Amino acid sequence: ETGVTQTPRHLVMGMTNKKSLKCEQHLGHNAMYWYKQSAKKPLELMFVYNFKEQTENNSVPSRFSPECPNSSHLFLHLHTLQPEDSALYLCASSQEAGAVSDTQYFGPGTRLTVL
Amino acid sequence: KQEVTQIPAALSVPEGENLVLNCSFTDSAIYNLQWFRQDPGKGLTSLLLIQSSQREQTSGRLNASLDKSSGRSTLYIAASQPGDSATYLCAVRVQGAQKLVFGQGTRLTINP
Repeated sequence: ETGVTQTPRHLVMGMTNKKSLKCEQHLGHNAMYWYKQSAKKPLELMFVYNFKEQTENNSVPSRFSPECPNSSHLFLHLHTLQPEDSALYLCASSQEAGAVSDTQYFGPGTRLTVL
Repeated sequence: KQEVTQIPAALSVPEGENLVLNCSFTDSAIYNLQWFRQDPGKGLTSLLLIQSSQREQTSGRLNASLDKSSGRSTLYIAASQPGDSATYLCAVRVQGAQKLVFGQGTRLTINP
């Protein structure tokens, strides 16, 4: 788990709060990803950043706002969330998004509960 | 649209048994298929990655096969141990896409 780290590991927030999730990768990769894992649903991709540029937004509501200041850091800013947004949020990184042999490495996740 | 299905959803077996987990996908145009392990409340650990040109990969007691034409993969676990208890996820990289498409997973319990 030391390759990709995520903080905080657990977060409880009210619907009117603003919070941010942080992801950091120590693998020298150029691509970073946010995934959402809800109970009883498959893991879903939310966003992809490749060389700091957002290359994919999987129809994610605007209450989720990603930020990628450099290739090693990725944030997910949260505001006015809904209880159904409660889930495990996983960050991943890879050498280069879209490359044929590209492999993604995952962090431990942030367990988010929205009250 | 690529869809990935894993059967069974849950499996419980006694220690020492050999077992097979199944994964199927609807679109054979993939770059690769990957098997992950997820412990409760934790992130994903990659177990095996099979490129589309390969038929199988092995790591220790694990063997994964890929039949791209039929849209199927299996994960074979030999001589199962209680430490193998976890959820096993299958994911495919669709050609031309950046994302992984995941199945819902198989929750495996190995009973001592």
